[in-house]
Amino acid sequence: DTAVSQTPKYLVTQMGNDKSIKCEQNLGHDTMYWYKQDSKKFLKIMFSYNNKELIINETVPNRFSPKSPDKAHLNLHINSLELGDSAVYFCASSPGTADWNTGELFFGEGSRLTVL
Amino acid sequence: GQNIDQPTEMTATEGAIVQINCTYQTSGFNGLFWYQQHAGEAPTFLSYNVLDGLEEKGRFSSFLSRSKGYSYLLLKELQMKDSASYLCAVVDSNYQLIWGAGTKLIIKP
Repeated sequence: DTAVSQTPKYLVTQMGNDKSIKCEQNLGHDTMYWYKQDSKKFLKIMFSYNNKELIINETVPNRFSPKSPDKAHLNLHINSLELGDSAVYFCASSPGTADWNTGELFFGEGSRLTVL
Repeated sequence: GQNIDQPTEMTATEGAIVQINCTYQTSGFNGLFWYQQHAGEAPTFLSYNVLDGLEEKGRFSSFLSRSKGYSYLLLKELQMKDSASYLCAVVDSNYQLIWGAGTKLIIKP
């Protein structure tokens, strides 16, 4: 049974389209994240939610909108896709909050987005 | 600014030992993580150091020196399946994770 699952795993779409990536965790964790990993392999935090509340919102275009209907789900919606949005998007969860006393992140398998 | 430096790529031989270094300059320090990421897969947790010294976990060990802003990951008895990227990440004073770009480790027979 997958701990952090995200769908779809692969997504190919045209510029200007709107797409969503879904994420669910069954670990009972309080905190969920969206990361972007580009071709240079840097992992960049985009958003973090703790118990459905936004706690980290890095400088990302407002075309990216996260939504957390409950603490087990964190979805990512992207409007007006651009070529530069092509990357692998990882969802992750952790048991801690802003206090990293446990710290370990559990990642989903990633969603590879290709914008043509 | 905040910075994590790791070598881009390293090559080692099956059965040997390899040390992957990580140096960091961050605003504060609340711990350092090592993650392993196989190509096309998600990162998986390897180790967490918050105090100086060596932490051993099977074939993998991780070392931290906070005064030097330095850590290394030591892999012993290398196996082909150890071919992967190894990511160093530091928790800063705001409890945010700052990630390095990772070191791609290539294991040759």
